[in-house]
Amino acid sequence: AQTVTQSQPEMSVQEAETVTLSCTYDTSENNYYLFWYKQPPSRQMILVIRQEAYKQQNATENRFSVNFQKAAKSFSLKISDSQLGDTAMYFCAFRLNYGGSQGNLIFGKGTKLSVKP
Amino acid sequence: ETGVTQSPTHLIKTRGQQVTLRCSSQSGHNTVSWYQQALGQGPQFIFQYYREEENGRGNFPPRFSGLQFPNYSSELNVNALELDDSALYLCASRRGASVEAFFGQGTRLTVV
Repeated sequence: AQTVTQSQPEMSVQEAETVTLSCTYDTSENNYYLFWYKQPPSRQMILVIRQEAYKQQNATENRFSVNFQKAAKSFSLKISDSQLGDTAMYFCAFRLNYGGSQGNLIFGKGTKLSVKP
Repeated sequence: ETGVTQSPTHLIKTRGQQVTLRCSSQSGHNTVSWYQQALGQGPQFIFQYYREEENGRGNFPPRFSGLQFPNYSSELNVNALELDDSALYLCASRRGASVEAFFGQGTRLTVV
């Protein structure tokens, strides 16, 4: 069975600074995806960034980047130039690269990020 | 804008009652998944429907059931509500086995 662990329940960062959120996962599979989702108070899960396990290059989306360490089963999210709108819950999620019943997302417990002015 | 809409946004039910939550998938998305997110927790997978058939289920009892309609909209039904069923219920849709799933804004269910 796959598991996702986020060890930082809460974090805070000053506006314009950089923050890194941690995530580790456990799987015996080799073909999977990893995601970071943002959940603001509006409750809607918004995809921030994704990483295919077969890609060695770390994914980047504007101010968001990941550090994917496959051997260590680690997948951290770095937010650069933090903005007040980044304040939200952040969830790390795992998904096997199969269709059907194995295509569901497995989430960590989340990290509450507060960006302070 | 993801196009996944859920109704209602909030709901209060009494223990023992039954509830139906609805999800309208994004256009062209034939796979829909439902998740339960308890307060302070990450979402947990309930089940998934693909082309009107359930093709995956998480660790939830049979009193959690669902339907997917020909237009790919979906329902989540919960019978014999318990206090622990109080949670945010999220629906997510995607096209087939595509990578990205799009979420609705959720239904907040409170069981009293």
